[in-house]
Amino acid sequence: EVQLVESGGGLVQPGGSLRLSCAASGFTVSSNYMSWVRQAPGKGLEWVSVIYSGGSTYYADSVKGRFTISRHNSKNTLYLQMNSLRAEDTAVYYCARAPRTGTGAFDYWGQGTLVTVSS
Amino acid sequence: DIQLTQSPSFLSASVGDRVTITCRASQGISSYLAWYQQKPGKAPKLLIYAASTLQSGVPSRFSGSGSGTEFTLTISSLQPEDFATYYCQQLNSYPMAFGQGTRLEIK
Repeated sequence: EVQLVESGGGLVQPGGSLRLSCAASGFTVSSNYMSWVRQAPGKGLEWVSVIYSGGSTYYADSVKGRFTISRHNSKNTLYLQMNSLRAEDTAVYYCARAPRTGTGAFDYWGQGTLVTVSS
Repeated sequence: DIQLTQSPSFLSASVGDRVTITCRASQGISSYLAWYQQKPGKAPKLLIYAASTLQSGVPSRFSGSGSGTEFTLTISSLQPEDFATYYCQQLNSYPMAFGQGTRLEIK
């Protein structure tokens, strides 16, 4: 059974850092395209970043230069390192899988982890 | 960057109704569009990909159509469990924008 479990969220001060993790089971992270998507309280979905099976990465302009997506193949885990956090980064962060052989749509999502940036 | 505009933003309907949600892209995206359903406190769920292909396990009352810049999601006969928020997403290029969402509520 495919499962994605995020962790690492919490309260952090503006300018601080946080690393989110997404532990996967039932499939291999490195063989798929893995993304982070966030949702601010009461707002819509915002795509944040993707890492391809080949290792290429892309970022939303709003996080470029501050966030880094990565994976640990032997742990089958996806990460999002978030630096220089701002109040507008407050959101539930979801990891999601897009099959490498598909069209890019996210067929599995984690339950989300809440990041709150506040002093 | 490609922007997606959904209409309406809010929709009130009754069980058994047929409803249609529209998603317009700011430039052509061929059929690189997906639709998701999200219920409060839950992660989104994939309904449709490649504009018109039903994801495995999704009821056949859901259907998608369109290509280029205009797309629709249709629910043929609303069921109580369909009241949720629906999002379109373009998969043609980065950044992978989502529409702003359509909230579907019970009349």
